[in-house]
Amino acid sequence: AQKITQTQPGMFVQEKEAVTLDCTYDTSDPSYGLFWYKQPSSGEMIFLIYQGSYDQQNATEGRYSLNFQKARKSANLVISASQLGDSAMYFCAMRELTGSYQLTFGKGTKLSVIP
Amino acid sequence: SAVISQKPSRDICQRGTSLTIQCQVDSQVTMMFWYRQQPGQSLTLIATANQGSEATYESGFVIDKFPISRPNLTFSTLTVSNMSPEDSSIYLCSVGGTSGTKEQFFGPGTRLTVL
Repeated sequence: AQKITQTQPGMFVQEKEAVTLDCTYDTSDPSYGLFWYKQPSSGEMIFLIYQGSYDQQNATEGRYSLNFQKARKSANLVISASQLGDSAMYFCAMRELTGSYQLTFGKGTKLSVIP
Repeated sequence: SAVISQKPSRDICQRGTSLTIQCQVDSQVTMMFWYRQQPGQSLTLIATANQGSEATYESGFVIDKFPISRPNLTFSTLTVSNMSPEDSSIYLCSVGGTSGTKEQFFGPGTRLTVL
């Protein structure tokens, strides 16, 4: 069974600084995808970044990068140059790429950006 | 990326009543999912909506409580039946592609409060 662990319930970061949000996962399937979503107080789930288990390079999308360490089963999200608008809940999720395509989510990390 | 809309965006309902939530996608998609997010919690998959067949429900969710329709490849509905205050949650529709694709997007959510 899949499992996602986010050990940081809350994080603070100074505006313009970088921050790393931790995510570890567990799966027996060699083929999987890892996702990060942002959820502002409005409740919508905003897709940020994706990493496939066979991708050779770490994924990057603008200010977001994913530090993928396959042997350690970790997929940490790095946000560079934090902005006040980055304050939100962040969820790590995983989907096995064979069989069902459902996402399994971690409990989330609440990020607060301090001016 | 797919554009997903949900109706209603929020509602306040009385105990014992039912609410039907609509999910519309701007393109044909194979997989549609319904998730629930209880207050302060992560997302939990309710069911996978299959076009032309019955939905596939996750453990703890039953068709009598959460009937789902999927009449075509762009539309689905979720009904929350015989509501109680414990059903107060955000309900999110999600669409995903086929194996190997990274698309996994969410609608804006329906924020339900049951009194």
